[in-house]
Amino acid sequence: NAGVTQTPKFQVLKTGQSMTLQCAQDMNHNSMYWYRQDPGMGLRLIYYSASEGTTDKGEVPNGYNVSRLNKREFSLRLESAAPSQTSVYFCASSEGGYGNTIYFGEGSWLTVV
Amino acid sequence: AQSVTQLGSHVSVSEGALVLLRCNYSSSVPPYLFWYVQYPNQGLQLLLKYTTGATLVKGINGFEAEFKKSETSFHLTKPSAHMSDAAEYFCAVASQGGSEKLVFGKGMKLTVNP
Repeated sequence: NAGVTQTPKFQVLKTGQSMTLQCAQDMNHNSMYWYRQDPGMGLRLIYYSASEGTTDKGEVPNGYNVSRLNKREFSLRLESAAPSQTSVYFCASSEGGYGNTIYFGEGSWLTVV
Repeated sequence: AQSVTQLGSHVSVSEGALVLLRCNYSSSVPPYLFWYVQYPNQGLQLLLKYTTGATLVKGINGFEAEFKKSETSFHLTKPSAHMSDAAEYFCAVASQGGSEKLVFGKGMKLTVNP
């Protein structure tokens, strides 16, 4: 079972470049998320989508945009990358609703130089 | 707002020893609590979760956690550590207002020594 699939797995960007992280889930989940993980900071929510057609800001949305393309796909865009956006990015999904399990992808390692 | 605290960032145990990873939460509503594990270069996977009912929750790989409302705690334990338990462990609480979003602690890296 594929679960949550993210691409690319690794990317190096120059400051000011743009890129899009792609995410797709095959579990027919309603909710999808983008988190970033930084050493000593745990995981912080960037954006989430409770259902197709809706998106909401999380804890650290500045510098990012998202698109919920359809029920399966949720992309994260960096319009003008900055070194502070060097991080590991995780896409995740869940059925939705309070207390439901969130399932994570394997992560995308992004370095901005 | 909900939050979780995992004191310290690293714990080291010997193989066969007790594993105890502490988590304390802050919540103004009855909390839903989670433990996730992250193996090197992988995503997070659910170990166990507490929603309602029995306060002692059993998870995968021999881990369990007990919800103690009076202590606002949800500590993770395993009686006997195995080398394969070496990973980073995250405590999380479902955020307020009925949302399905999770708020994570900063994580605890577990090292198991032979």
